Amino acid sequence: QKEVEQDPGPLSVPEGAIVSLNCTYSNSAFQYFMWYRQYSRKGPELLMYTYSSGNKEDGRFTAQVDKSSKYISLFIRDSQPSDSATYLCAVRGGNQFYFGTGTSLTVIP
Amino acid sequence: KAGVTQTPRYLIKTRGQQVTLSCSPISGHRSVSWYQQTPGQGLQFLFEYFSETQRNKGNFPGRFSGRQFSNSRSEMNVSTLELGDSALYLCASSYQGNRETQYFGPGTRLLVL
Repeated sequence: QKEVEQDPGPLSVPEGAIVSLNCTYSNSAFQYFMWYRQYSRKGPELLMYTYSSGNKEDGRFTAQVDKSSKYISLFIRDSQPSDSATYLCAVRGGNQFYFGTGTSLTVIP
Repeated sequence: KAGVTQTPRYLIKTRGQQVTLSCSPISGHRSVSWYQQTPGQGLQFLFEYFSETQRNKGNFPGRFSGRQFSNSRSEMNVSTLELGDSALYLCASSYQGNRETQYFGPGTRLLVL
């Protein structure tokens, strides 16, 4: 079983839609949960990180962690064409750090 | 503040050759991590250096090695290249090794023929 599982998509939504991106993880010892955005031919860019359970909001982005079900989510409100990218989740516990394989998102104008 | 820079951006090598990739972290950052990104495996951790010492290592063969200099710049070396080493190699820097807030460079795309 992989440490982090992420649906690769692709996901295609109309502009203005609410997007939900999800990952599951295997080890309850993971304590930090990150979301990265990666545009084509660029390195990943940190969007948000959360420690332990709960929600964190930053503008149109909300990260949610449910440790009881080992489930992490990223919600994008009022999605824009500029949000079209690959979104990677990542988890960290101690020295262990794992990425999901990424979900490709396209927002259609 | 300048971001993480990586050189070269693109590289073509043949099997059996070796390659050295370079990474300059954000000014003041002392930790540099290296990752391999492929379509099938995603982002996989290679190793992390902090103050010139390797602090963590991923599950890669000994052909993959690295080092960090006193100015925090880092190099990664791959010897005896294999076709499967074709990938995007990313480096990321962080201030104290808090990888949950690391910043990535644009990567070096390596193609092994």
